[in-house]
Formats: sequence, C-alpha cells, structure tokens
Amino acid sequence: EDKVVQSPLSLVVHEGDTVTLNCSYEVTNFRSLLWYKQEKKAPTFLFMLTSSGIEKKSGRLSSILDKKELFSILNITATQTGDSAVYLCAVDDTNAGKSTFGDGTTLTVKP
Amino acid sequence: GAGVSQSPSNKVTEKGKDVELRCDPISGHTALYWYRQSLGQGLEFLIYFQGNSAPDKSGLPSDRFSAERTGGSVSTLTIQRTQQEDSAVYLCASSLRRGYREQYFGPGTRLTVT
Repeated sequence: EDKVVQSPLSLVVHEGDTVTLNCSYEVTNFRSLLWYKQEKKAPTFLFMLTSSGIEKKSGRLSSILDKKELFSILNITATQTGDSAVYLCAVDDTNAGKSTFGDGTTLTVKP
Repeated sequence: GAGVSQSPSNKVTEKGKDVELRCDPISGHTALYWYRQSLGQGLEFLIYFQGNSAPDKSGLPSDRFSAERTGGSVSTLTIQRTQQEDSAVYLCASSLRRGYREQYFGPGTRLTVT
C-alpha cells in the first residue's frame, strides 16, 4: 500500500524565519510528487516533481525530490504570516491512478 | 465555470439518512477525483473517474458509498444510511487528464451527521 509521511506535523515560527518541511514516501510505481497549500478548504497546487535533484522554485518557495532516498523537501524562506497554512504532500502512482496524501504539516507564522 | 464547484457547501443530516454531494469539474477536464478529509487529517482518496468510468473504486470506505459521473462532467457522491463517522469535508478535484500536473480542488462539502 502506498504511504506518505510528512514531518513535522506542526511548526510555529516567526516572520522572517526559514522553514523546511519534509515528505517521505513509499509507492509501488512512482509517477510524481506534488506539494499543495491548504489555507481553508481547497488545497492549491504549489509544485510537481518528477525528477531527482532538480529544484523547483516559485518566489520564496522551493522544492526538491530525491528518488533514491524517497523523500522531498519544501523550503520557505523569509516566511510571512500569509504562509500560515497546512502544507500537503502527495504522490501519484502510475498504475493506481490515485494520489496518496500525507497528513500535512501545519505551519503557523507569527508576526 | 472558472473553477471546480461543489454543492451543498454544508450539509447536516441525521444518522441513517442518505445524502448526495455534487461536483462540477472544470470544463474539459476528463479526470475527476473525490477525497474525504476528517478534522486535522490529510486527504483520503475515495474514487476517481476518467471520463464516465471509474477504474479505481478501492478507496470507497464501504458499500454505503457510491459515485457516478454522467456526460463526462458532473459527478455525484452518494452516501446511504449515513453514520456519524462519515462526518468530514468531502473534496472534489479535477485535472485535464489523469496524472496531468496538478488537480484543481473545489471548496468542499462539510458533512455533519448528527
């Protein structure tokens, strides 16, 4: 059974700090790994990673995948209060057609 | 429409009643997904459709849950004889096709079974 584990479960930082969120996975036939940000209800897409070692970057957010060690990290630099959210990691299985999500990391950024 | 829409946004029902949740995906998206999210938990996959067919129903928690999709567009998730443990937010997502970049999520339906 496919499995995704995120750590830490929750994190509290102050504005300006840099944070690293972790995602490890076990999947039979890996297709891709995705990061989402969930502020209230609907998760919104951040990154899709398919190849090892290639950093994806969007503003203060960046992410990288290690397919050998089966994990990904999401970095947020110079955090702002608007970064407060649940960050979800998901992996897609080539054959199963579904995404398996982790339980998320709840990030709280204090002013 | 511009995004994925779901209705109702909130539903309170008594234990034992049947409920229907509706999802309107983004026009042209062939893949549609249903997830369930309990408080403080991640997303639990329920079912996905490619067109009108559902190749993978393995995530449906019990035979009280069923889903259909007609015309390659609107989908309905039906829960029969609801139980209190069915209380959760039910999220629908669509994508251009299975495995194509990201899934676009709807705002969800919050179901409360009393």
